Amino acid sequence: GQNIDQPTEMTATEGAIVQINCTYQTSGFNGLFWYQQHAGEAPTFLSYNVLDGLEEKGRFSSFLSRSKGYSYLLLKELQMKDSASYLCAVNPPTNDYKLSFGAGTTVTVRA
Amino acid sequence: EAGVAQSPRYKIIEKRQSVAFWCNPISGHATLYWYQQILGQGPKLLIQFQNNGVVDDSQLPKDRFSAERLKGVDSTLKIQPAKLEDSAVYLCASSSLGLAGLGELFFGEGSRLTVL
Repeated sequence: GQNIDQPTEMTATEGAIVQINCTYQTSGFNGLFWYQQHAGEAPTFLSYNVLDGLEEKGRFSSFLSRSKGYSYLLLKELQMKDSASYLCAVNPPTNDYKLSFGAGTTVTVRA
Repeated sequence: EAGVAQSPRYKIIEKRQSVAFWCNPISGHATLYWYQQILGQGPKLLIQFQNNGVVDDSQLPKDRFSAERLKGVDSTLKIQPAKLEDSAVYLCASSSLGLAGLGELFFGEGSRLTVL
């Protein structure tokens, strides 16, 4: 099974940096996804980490440490439109993308 | 490229009534998923299809939920009879499983069900 933990809420100021942590205990693992979900909308894909290390994509970066069961999503130069829920999800060892999601972290960006 | 289409967007029913949701995945995606997202929680997988076959329905409450994917394209999810705790957003997603791109799931906008 999967046990995925992330903070419930975070608040930050426009232009600042926020780091959203995700820890997981799983019976197997084949990569970790981050999704963004605005209120009332569908989750949209942000990043996918399979190997240890940092993946950078514009203002968003994602880090993975498989030995520690830990990932984080780093949002830089925060904008008001970044206010959303951020979901981490684990891809099981079967690699069939049958993702298990955490409860999500609601990020509120204030002016 | 057209995304995942779902309907209806909103549905309000009384408990013990039935409801059906429809999903059309991204063209060419063989794998289709139905997820249930209760307010304040992450999506929870209900069922996964590969073409028109069920891969995993272990989390589907089969006494009241059913799903099918005839012809390996569109899918329907039915709830009969509905309970209050079924109030949630039902998300459909599709994936190429890495045959094209990373294999990430593409989600539809969801069908929001309220059971009174």
